[in-house]
Amino acid sequence: QAVVTQEPSLTVSPGGTVTLTCGSSTGAVTSGHYPYWFQQKPGQAPRTLIFDISDRFSWTPARFSGSLLGGKAALTLSGAQPEDDAEYYCLLSYSGVGVFGGGTKVTVL
Amino acid sequence: EVQLVDSGGGLVQPGGSLRLSCVASGFTFSSYWMTWVRQAPGKGLEWVANINQDGSETYYVDSVRGRFTFSRDNAKNSMSLQMNSLRSEDTAVYYCMSTGLGSGWGQGRLVTVFS
Repeated sequence: QAVVTQEPSLTVSPGGTVTLTCGSSTGAVTSGHYPYWFQQKPGQAPRTLIFDISDRFSWTPARFSGSLLGGKAALTLSGAQPEDDAEYYCLLSYSGVGVFGGGTKVTVL
Repeated sequence: EVQLVDSGGGLVQPGGSLRLSCVASGFTFSSYWMTWVRQAPGKGLEWVANINQDGSETYYVDSVRGRFTFSRDNAKNSMSLQMNSLRSEDTAVYYCMSTGLGSGWGQGRLVTVFS
């Protein structure tokens, strides 16, 4: 089974920019992995932010954007807000089988 | 608005069975893959299983294959996860999740396997 890798923790200043990445042990992440990004706050169910690399939902703040960067999926937060302090998970699909990354704890400080 | 209402779960001894269900509304259920995700206490998210739009394809994480069965009923906008031969390591909050443009999450159901 593939292993999906994320940074364990990142810190960003309010109003600052941070990029989270999601790598695959099998090689470069591509559109065929249908990357998703989720946000989870303590005691809450996760919330889907991004699907299929970069598609957002009506509830996804415009400051979140998804991309492929250097062979990885990436989630960029531009103009961080205190409410963005949370755990972020990526999910990759391997021919129907999904694998989550270990999560990145983003601290806005 | 996408809504997923899950039910089921609870306490069970090792080797026992439980069934989780999830009813969807607010999107065209039959158009999207559906997923079960679990989260052990204090741990990250773990993908458990996928089912395609008409239920003809299912995929499972290795640790549950052969013990869990994922099914859906598009006429009732519902899906179920039958969990057999439960083990202590299956203890987690289980979430149903919808995908793509119909993305949403259930509130989560706690499954506790204890002896």
